[in-house]
Amino acid sequence: KQEVTQIPAALSVPEGENLVLNCSFTDSAIYNLQWFRQDPGKGLTSLLLIQSSQREQTSGRLNASLDKSSGRSTLYIAASQPGDSATYLCAVNAGNNRKLIWGLGTSLAVNP
Amino acid sequence: NAGVTQTPKFQVLKTGQSMTLQCAQDMNHNSMYWYRQDPGMGLRLIYYSASEGTTDKGEVPNGYNVSRLNKREFSLRLESAAPSQTSVYFCASSEGPYNSPLHFGNGTRLTVT
Repeated sequence: KQEVTQIPAALSVPEGENLVLNCSFTDSAIYNLQWFRQDPGKGLTSLLLIQSSQREQTSGRLNASLDKSSGRSTLYIAASQPGDSATYLCAVNAGNNRKLIWGLGTSLAVNP
Repeated sequence: NAGVTQTPKFQVLKTGQSMTLQCAQDMNHNSMYWYRQDPGMGLRLIYYSASEGTTDKGEVPNGYNVSRLNKREFSLRLESAAPSQTSVYFCASSEGPYNSPLHFGNGTRLTVT
């Protein structure tokens, strides 16, 4: 059974720091993996989608990598800003039923 | 371009009451989903509609029904609300079933007393 884990559950960093958020999954047979951000009281916003055939995707200051063999994805945020403060979730599309399996998220606080 | 619109934003129900959560998307997406989000349990899929005219159960469908009214609209009905259905409900859509990014609405916060 596919399980998705995000560690740490919470992270606090000073503004300007480069940081890495982690997402681990137990079954390497995935179709794609998505990263989302969720602001308090809001819905989720899709940040990056990596297909199983890809190694990374980039959007602005964000870079997501995928290593299926090790069951790991990382989201790299360059030059963090207070506006990056949010919860970041990853979700894996795995299995024949094509359903998303979600992590519980990492709550990020970027302090001015 | 509003994206995914959910109504209402907040709702309080008494046990046994019924209600319908409405969702509409203006992105011409084929697939639509209903999730619930609970602390410590993450997002759980209630029902989804891969395309207009089809609906399928997700992980936690008991106590809910859905209607894919047309390509734009996908509603979620609670026939007899229970305290265990207190949660935040999100509607989402995508071009296809899980092969493209999901777009979420802002959620409905439901409390059942």
